[in-house]
Amino acid sequence: SSELTQDPVVSVALGQTVRITCQGNSLRIYSASWYQQRPGQAPVLVMDAQNNRPSGVPDRFSGSKSGDTASLTITATQAEDEADYYCNSRDTSGSQVVFGGGTSLTVL
Amino acid sequence: EVQVVESGGAVVQPGGSLRLSCATFGFSLDKFSIHWVRQAPGKGLEWVCVDSWAHGGTFYADSVKGRFTASRDNYRNSLYLQMNSLGSEDTALYYCVKEHVIGWPTLEYWGQGTLVTVSS
Repeated sequence: SSELTQDPVVSVALGQTVRITCQGNSLRIYSASWYQQRPGQAPVLVMDAQNNRPSGVPDRFSGSKSGDTASLTITATQAEDEADYYCNSRDTSGSQVVFGGGTSLTVL
Repeated sequence: EVQVVESGGAVVQPGGSLRLSCATFGFSLDKFSIHWVRQAPGKGLEWVCVDSWAHGGTFYADSVKGRFTASRDNYRNSLYLQMNSLGSEDTALYYCVKEHVIGWPTLEYWGQGTLVTVSS
């Protein structure tokens, strides 16, 4: 299987822009989805693999991909965006799913 | 309203077995793949397996292959995860997740999870 690498901790000042990245060889073939998980809650999809936001996700969230790296960008970050963020994709064989290790976002 | 509800979590001894269930509501189960994802206490998400409608089969993470078996009953709108030869590394909150209409790996609807604790 493949691996997806995320920075474990990222911080951003309130109202600023932050980019959370996800790097892996399988991303050269497949796209990534992104999930937000607040403490004690189940993960919530915030960006699908076509870089579309599900209904209810604020438009300050956007997704992109370049080469082997996918990114989730949050503009005008709000306090409620503080959470863990996970990317996932298929592995290079296409028959398994892999998750990144997660990024803990702190809003200062 | 689309919902998935897991059940069956318990404390089980090392080497033991357990079957988890996932009841689904609000969509046609025979048209979607359902994934199991787990999260060990204080750790990240780990994909366990998928019961794939589109591919007509099940696929497993290397860490559970040969020990876990996923199955579904479309008439009962339910899925099951049979877990055998459990070890401490299997202690986790297990989520049942419905894929997005665009297909996996996008996982759209998550349950609240059911806790499996492997301990003597």
